Amino acid sequence: EVQVVESGGGLVKPGGSLRLSCVASGFTFNTHTMSWIRQAPGRGLEWVSSISSTTAFIYYGDSVKGRFTISRDNAKNSLYLQMNSLRAEDTAVYYCARDGGIGSFDHWGQGTLVTVSS
Amino acid sequence: AIQMTQSPSSLSASVGDRVTITCRASQGIRNDLGWYQQKRGKVPNLLIYAASTLQSGVPSRFSGSGSGTDFTLTISSLQPEDSATYYCLQDYDYPITFGQGTRLEIK
Repeated sequence: EVQVVESGGGLVKPGGSLRLSCVASGFTFNTHTMSWIRQAPGRGLEWVSSISSTTAFIYYGDSVKGRFTISRDNAKNSLYLQMNSLRAEDTAVYYCARDGGIGSFDHWGQGTLVTVSS
Repeated sequence: AIQMTQSPSSLSASVGDRVTITCRASQGIRNDLGWYQQKRGKVPNLLIYAASTLQSGVPSRFSGSGSGTDFTLTISSLQPEDSATYYCLQDYDYPITFGQGTRLEIK
């Protein structure tokens, strides 16, 4: 069974940093692009970042570019999101998702809540 | 960035109704489009990918069509459990973008 489990969320002050982790199981992690997607309270879904299977290709949304860094450790079946210079508008549930291409994020974690507030 | 515009933003329909939600891309995206269902407080769930391919385990009353810029999600016979918000997504090009969502209420 495919499982994706995020961790690392919490309360952080504006300007602070946080590192999210995602551990995957039940599939060959090192052959899949992985992504972070977020959802602010009461709002829609927003793609944040993606990283290809070999880390050759990395992409960021404009709202996080220069502040967030995505990475992965294929030996540990793990995906990470280092978030720096956090702002109130980064408050959201952050989901880790397997990217199957052609519109298919086919497996999502339960999400981890990040709250940026003083 | 490619903009995805869904319509309507919300709708109310009765059990058994045929429901259609549309998604328009600001430029051609071939068939690189997915549809997602998100029930209140739950994780989004993939319904359709490649514009018209039904994800495994998704009821056959859901179907998708379209290519290029105009896409449609259809629920052939609405069920009470279909109450949710529906999103389209394009991954033809980065940044990946979602539609703003369509909230579907059961009368």
